[in-house]
Amino acid sequence: GNSVTQMEGPVTLSEEAFLTINCTYTATGYPSLFWYVQYPGEGLQLLLKATKADDKGSNKGFEATYRKETTSFHLEKGSVQVSDSAVYFCALSDPRGGSYIPTFGRGTSLIVHP
Amino acid sequence: DVKVTQSSRYLVKRTGEKVFLECVQDMDHENMFWYRQDPGLGLRLIYFSYDVKMKEKGDIPEGYSVSREKKERFSLILESASTNQTSMYLCASSLTGLSFRELFFGEGSRLTVL
Repeated sequence: GNSVTQMEGPVTLSEEAFLTINCTYTATGYPSLFWYVQYPGEGLQLLLKATKADDKGSNKGFEATYRKETTSFHLEKGSVQVSDSAVYFCALSDPRGGSYIPTFGRGTSLIVHP
Repeated sequence: DVKVTQSSRYLVKRTGEKVFLECVQDMDHENMFWYRQDPGLGLRLIYFSYDVKMKEKGDIPEGYSVSREKKERFSLILESASTNQTSMYLCASSLTGLSFRELFFGEGSRLTVL
């Protein structure tokens, strides 16, 4: 079946550092890939997405490129801020009964210190 | 603004009690989901519904049931709560379609079973 593997956290960085959170996937078809973010005390919200190979999703300074050859969708940001502290979930879509239901990774906690 | 509202942010129940978690969305979405979120395990799908009165089991349906009598409301029921059901429960909704549709999440309901 489909699965998503992302690096374990927490990832602890100083403000303005470069961020990479690794994500790899296993899928039988051609999934869409995305990153969700969960800020403290809130539900998840979509951060960015990519629907086909070589697509780059971007939002709020974050980027991720859909790499079919390495089955990866790593999240990057050039300069993190304290306000980026959150849990980040990598996910892929999974068509079941006509509804594209995401399969989520376990989440990676990011802590950014001033 | 789109909104998914979960009726209770925090609940404390005793073993054996019947527990209802309510979720309402105001976006006229066809699909609704219940996830469970546990540290180190990420999000796991309990049940989803793609239409009124329709339901499908997710990855961990044991010990849970659901009800969808109206399009905007999706309830998760624990018939006899157990301590291993202590967790954060997240409701989400989305449109249906032939490709990925963003999931919109509520803020979560943290359930403690004593």
